[in-house]
Amino acid sequence: NAGVTQTPKFRILKIGQSMTLQCAQDMNHNYMYWYRQDPGMGLKLIYYSVGAGITDKGEVPNGYNVSRSTTEDFPLRLELAAPSQTSVYFCASSYDNYQPQHFGDGTRLSIL
Amino acid sequence: GENVEQHPSTLSVQEGDSAVIKCTYSDSASNYFPWYKQELGKRPQLIIDIRSNVGEKKDQRIAVTLNKTAKHFSLHITETQPEDSAVYFCAASIKSGGYQKVTFGTGTKLQVIP
Repeated sequence: NAGVTQTPKFRILKIGQSMTLQCAQDMNHNYMYWYRQDPGMGLKLIYYSVGAGITDKGEVPNGYNVSRSTTEDFPLRLELAAPSQTSVYFCASSYDNYQPQHFGDGTRLSIL
Repeated sequence: GENVEQHPSTLSVQEGDSAVIKCTYSDSASNYFPWYKQELGKRPQLIIDIRSNVGEKKDQRIAVTLNKTAKHFSLHITETQPEDSAVYFCAASIKSGGYQKVTFGTGTKLQVIP
């Protein structure tokens, strides 16, 4: 099993550009999450999903969108990139929230 | 909603000493408490977890204790080694609106001095 796979690993965007961060898991987990982690800080939940077709906002959803059309994939969309969105983005999955989360390796995003 | 506070934010110990990190939570209905370790530039990884029906759990040099009455749980690392240096996050999980939700603490940066 590959676990949770995130692509790309690094990306530099210009202000106003759009991009999609990809996340895929092969563990048949129902729950998937997107976090951002600013330098030296903790994890802030952006969006989460409890199953295909079901998503909900986390702590810091503004400027982001998600979709969950399949159990395996949970892409995160940035529509109009802003410098404040420079961060490391982690995708995670779990069978449910009574089980541990498995994290991907992260996407390091810089917006200039 | 649930609020998780974690202390201290930084901790330095001599190699071989013990380290203790404490977290408190606000909602007594929280029922699952995982701990994650994040090495520099790496992903968070689960190191130990405990459920609300258990008071203590051990795994080699790592232990977690849970006090439901006081609503706090702690991570204990004994015989610390340089490779224990990392940021540690606690979390609390609670059922809310039909789904379980997880809230993370703000993290503790542990430095083990050789």
